[in-house]
Amino acid sequence: EVQLLESGGDLAQPGGSLRLSCEASGFIFSSNAMSWVRQAPGKGLEWVSSISNSGGSRYYADSVKGRFTISRDYSKNTLYLEMNSLRAEDTAIYYCTTGRVEWEQLYWGQGSLVTVSS
Amino acid sequence: QSALTQPASVSGSPGQSITISCTGSSRDIGAYNYVSWFQQHPGKAPKLMIYEVNTRPSGVSHRFSGSKSGNTASLIISGLQAEDEADYYCSSYTSGKTLVIFGGGTKLTVL
Repeated sequence: EVQLLESGGDLAQPGGSLRLSCEASGFIFSSNAMSWVRQAPGKGLEWVSSISNSGGSRYYADSVKGRFTISRDYSKNTLYLEMNSLRAEDTAIYYCTTGRVEWEQLYWGQGSLVTVSS
Repeated sequence: QSALTQPASVSGSPGQSITISCTGSSRDIGAYNYVSWFQQHPGKAPKLMIYEVNTRPSGVSHRFSGSKSGNTASLIISGLQAEDEADYYCSSYTSGKTLVIFGGGTKLTVL
């Protein structure tokens, strides 16, 4: 059974930083692309970033480009999202997803809440 | 790049069929067969219902089906049940500035 367990969500100040983690199990981590999708309170879904199975290709939404970095650790079966220069509009539940390719979201984690406020 | 366009809400009675539309452009839905549909109940994570326009993942009811015509994709739910009441989102691969684009979401009410 595919399981994605996010952690690292917290309250951060504007301009601050956070790192989200997503521990994956139930599938061959190196075979799947991984992504982050977020949902602001009461709003719809927004794709944030994706990384290929090999880690060689990374993609970002314009809203986070230059501020967020996606990475993965194959020894820990873990996906990361390093978030810098946080803004109030980054407040959202961040979901970790996986698929066969970078644009697929076949499986979702339960989400991790990031709140950016002073 | 604007989100895909979905109706804000749809409703139907138990046993009926409903269709949720998702309109994009020639850079996304019109060009690629990479349309997905997700169901989200309040306070829960989204769940994949359809991918690649009309493929149902294992475990998803046969009452859910998908189709596409031109720049518009559709999710069809037949034999509506109370448990189908949820928010539904479409998504598509895009050759635009972003890799993936989502619809704004549709609230389905089962009367």
